[in-house]
Amino acid sequence: DAKTTQPNSMESNEEEPVHLPCNHSTISGTDYIHWYRQLPSQGPEYVIHGLTSNVNNRMASLAIAEDRKSSTLILHRATLRDAAVYYCILSSGNTGKLIFGQGTTLQVKP
Amino acid sequence: NAGVTQTPKFQVLKTGQSMTLQCAQDMNHEYMSWYRQDPGMGLRLIHYSVGAGITDQGEVPNGYNVSRSTTEDFPLRLLSAAPSQTSVYFCASSYDRVNQPQHFGDGTRLSIL
Repeated sequence: DAKTTQPNSMESNEEEPVHLPCNHSTISGTDYIHWYRQLPSQGPEYVIHGLTSNVNNRMASLAIAEDRKSSTLILHRATLRDAAVYYCILSSGNTGKLIFGQGTTLQVKP
Repeated sequence: NAGVTQTPKFQVLKTGQSMTLQCAQDMNHEYMSWYRQDPGMGLRLIHYSVGAGITDQGEVPNGYNVSRSTTEDFPLRLLSAAPSQTSVYFCASSYDRVNQPQHFGDGTRLSIL
């Protein structure tokens, strides 16, 4: 199963954009890129996912490199409620299994 | 709409005891899965199911059994609890296994003494 690499932690100021990077150099052609986040004492929450093209939804944007070996989750205006662990995950095109890494802990400063 | 419901929320067991963690979803999702999360770690896949009557192993299946007799329910059984199975367990479901968001329950916090 393909793996992802993320920074352990990042900081952001409230109301500023946040760019969370993810490297997945061994991604295969059928793997989807998913982002989930987890607040303390809660289950993971879906944020966004994509295959090849950039994606936007009400929570965030996902920018996928042309070679698909990296991606960036963009939070357009960070709020204190966005402080969480963000996981970049590849979903196997065959089984759909989500293989979690250790994620990026995002701190948002007021 | 309850989503994914896990019971119990907390449980303490003694080594060697067995128990079943319950997971139910009311969204008619075909795909369901179980994860465990150890302190400071990401989630690891234990077992998953692509539909009623079909299950398969994930990354860390040893010591756990699952069955899927209905679309709604996907129980996880610990056969003989060990301290190494102390963890938080999450159940998840989605419409299909590849291209749909997975919905997670709130977790079961399990301690084994």
